Formats: sequence, structure tokens, C-alpha cells
Amino acid sequence: EAGVTQFPSHSVIEKGQTVTLRCDPISGHDNLYWYRRVMGKEIKFLLHFVKESKQDESGMPNNRFLAERTGGTYSTLKVQPAELEDSGVYFCASSQDLQSGYTFGSGTRLTVV
Amino acid sequence: AQRVTQPEKLLSVFKGAPVELKCNYSYSGSPELFWYVQYSRQRLQLLLRHISRESIKGFTADLNKGETSFHLKKPFAQEEDSAMYYCALKDFGNEKLTFGTGTRLTIIP
Repeated sequence: EAGVTQFPSHSVIEKGQTVTLRCDPISGHDNLYWYRRVMGKEIKFLLHFVKESKQDESGMPNNRFLAERTGGTYSTLKVQPAELEDSGVYFCASSQDLQSGYTFGSGTRLTVV
Repeated sequence: AQRVTQPEKLLSVFKGAPVELKCNYSYSGSPELFWYVQYSRQRLQLLLRHISRESIKGFTADLNKGETSFHLKKPFAQEEDSAMYYCALKDFGNEKLTFGTGTRLTIIP
């Protein structure tokens, strides 16, 4: 079984540019989550999809962040325009149902310079 | 608001010595507690959850509601235990996890 795949693994962009992160969950997993870890701080929840619907987006920091999951398969997280404080590691996770544990991806390390 | 505190950012323990990674939480309801681990160059993975009451890789953790703690313990550390450990809490009402800042455990040979 393929795990949760995230692309790219690393991204370095300039302040003001746009970056799109992608997450492919495990096939058949309806639940998809985005988290991020900013340097020196805890891993924080961003949002939760159930299929293509946003179940909880209370962790999205501001309107520069846009997450989509068209068709309920893979998800993208776009940051536009990127700011220096957006640097960190962005994790995606998926789960089959609410009783199952998460399976995390390897993360995307985003550096905004 | 719920919060998870891991007071130790770094912890070094000699091989064969006991290990205890501390985790305290603040939450008004009945939380579900987890320990996640990230080994070098690997992804974050679930180590154990309190409702399972199981031992994984020799680690155990007991939920102490009186002290609001969920400390991770292992009686005899092994070199392969070196990793980053995160304590996390989940509200039964929703699915998001609240993580602590993590403890980097280093086992000294």
C-alpha cells in the first residue's frame, strides 16, 4: 500500500511569490489533514477535509492560504503571496475513518527568503 | 483552550537506563492522548494511544487525569530509540490533534 505522498519535499521561494504544495493521501482515505510546524514551535493543525468538503479549517492562519481537494482525492495547499513567517514544514495526513489513526506524509519543507 | 506541554526539548539517556518523556495537558473534557515519534529521515508515526493501553517497542504511557499527564516510559533505553517524540491530544468532538513542541531523545551508547 502506498503511503501518504507529499510534493515537493523542499521548496525555497522569495517573499511575495506563490507556492503550491500537494498531498496524495492513501487511496480510499476520506479524511485528509494539513498541519505545519514552524521552527521551534509545535505542530499545528491547519484544516481537515472529509472527501472534498472542508470539515474544519479553523487552523488556517489567514486568507493567503487556500486548500482544495477537488474530487476528494489529492489536496493542494497554496500560499499566495508567501511571507517569511510561512517558512516551516507542512505535513499532510490521512485516515480511513474517525477511529483510525493518522498516516502522515514526509512533509514539505518550505523556506521563504 | 486545549494545550499540550512537553517541558524537555532535549533529553539524553544512557543505553540501558530508564527513559521518561514528560507530557502534561490542559483540557476541560475527556481527551484522547497519543505519542507520535519521528525517527531520523522518517515520517511522523503513531507510537501509542492511551485508549489502547498497549506497549509498543517497550514504551508505555498511562493517562493520569488527576495530574493531567501522559508521560512516556521505557525501562531500558536502546540506541534505536533516539528520535523526536511528540505528545498529542485529540478532542472526542473533532478530529484535529493538538501537539506539544516535542522532545528530542538521544540515547548515549
